[in-house]
Amino acid sequence: QITLEESGPTLVEPTQTLTLTCTFSGFSLSSSGVGVAWIRQPPGRALEWLATVYWDDDRHYNPSLKRRLTITKDASKNQVGLTVTDMDPEDTATYYCARRPVMGKYYFDYWGQGTPVTVSS
Amino acid sequence: DIQMTQSPSTLSASVGDRVTITCRVSQFIDGRLAWYQEKPGKAPKLLIYGASTLESGVPSRFSGSGSGTEFTLTVSSLQPNDFATYYCQQYSSHLSITFGQGTRLEIK
Repeated sequence: QITLEESGPTLVEPTQTLTLTCTFSGFSLSSSGVGVAWIRQPPGRALEWLATVYWDDDRHYNPSLKRRLTITKDASKNQVGLTVTDMDPEDTATYYCARRPVMGKYYFDYWGQGTPVTVSS
Repeated sequence: DIQMTQSPSTLSASVGDRVTITCRVSQFIDGRLAWYQEKPGKAPKLLIYGASTLESGVPSRFSGSGSGTEFTLTVSSLQPNDFATYYCQQYSSHLSITFGQGTRLEIK
């Protein structure tokens, strides 16, 4: 059974750095072709892909947010992290992690339930 | 950036109805389109990928079709469990991944 679970703070202040962790089970991030992504959804708005880290340690970032994002992986701990610098109220959203299952295809077959993050002073 | 236009934003239907949701994209994506179902407090669920391939375990009343820049998700006979929000996603490249605005399917 494949599961992913996001964790992190629910409230951050403007200009702070957000750090989230995705803990997964049922698959290995060392398996060829596998990736884990972060995706967010602001209230009332569309889902937005943020970043993906792959089994071979390659990383892809949304070009519009790249300068603020860092995605990391610890395959031995089955964890993927995301940091977002210089948080703004516009970054208020539910943050999801999800698995990319197949090399060359960029859809997501398993998702976590999401963790809400509010940016406010 | 590839723009996504998903319609309708809200759809009212009854159990047993056949419903269709449309996703239009601004550029050719060679069938690289997925559909997801989302329910409050639950993880989004992959339904369809490659525009028309049903994910394992998804009921056959769900189907996807389309090519070029217009794609559809059809539910042939709505079940009570199908009332949810549906999203399309294009994945034309590793740096071009965008989602539609969502369609809320509600009970009439």
